[in-house]
Amino acid sequence: NAGVTQTPKFQVLKTGQSMTLQCAQDMNHNSMYWYRQDPGMGLRLIYYSASEGTTDKGEVPNGYNVSRLNKREFSLRLESAAPSQTSVYFCASSATGRSNEQFFGPGTRLTVL
Amino acid sequence: GDSVTQMEGPVTLSEEAFLTINCTYTATGYPSLFWYVQYPGEGLQLLLKATKADDKGSNKGFEATYRKETTSFHLEKGSVQVSDSAVYFCALSDRNAGGTSYGKLTFGQGTILTVHP
Repeated sequence: NAGVTQTPKFQVLKTGQSMTLQCAQDMNHNSMYWYRQDPGMGLRLIYYSASEGTTDKGEVPNGYNVSRLNKREFSLRLESAAPSQTSVYFCASSATGRSNEQFFGPGTRLTVL
Repeated sequence: GDSVTQMEGPVTLSEEAFLTINCTYTATGYPSLFWYVQYPGEGLQLLLKATKADDKGSNKGFEATYRKETTSFHLEKGSVQVSDSAVYFCALSDRNAGGTSYGKLTFGQGTILTVHP
């Protein structure tokens, strides 16, 4: 089992460019999440998908879109990147259940110039 | 809304010292509580969890007890090692009275721990 995988690991964009961050999990989890991590602010939820076919906004959704392509894959798109979106992005997944333990990918470090 | 507050960091200790990282929370329902650890250049890993009041989570020598009366979930370890150097995050997942999770984690800001030989 690879767990949660993310691509790319690093990316540099210019302001206004677009890109898609890819995430896949092989644990047959129903729920998937996208977070951003900024210094001193912990992790903040951008979007999540409670199950295949559904997506919902988290705490900081502005400037992002998501697609739950199938049960395994959940992508995050930046349509017009801004320097404020420079961050480390983490994808996570969890099974449906009481404890809601989430499993995290290795992250994508994005720099917007 | 839900929130998690961790003690200010960073924390620097010598090897074999006692560690406490404070965590307090506010939640509207009946949260599960977690400690995650992030080693340099890696994603987060679950360190331990507790799902109801008075539960104690433990793993790798770390412990934390779910204290509903003080809304706290402090992380402790009796003797830290250099390999424990990492960032530690306290988090909660709120649930309704029936135990169904709302499906989202709320994180504290993280505490950087550095352990010197």
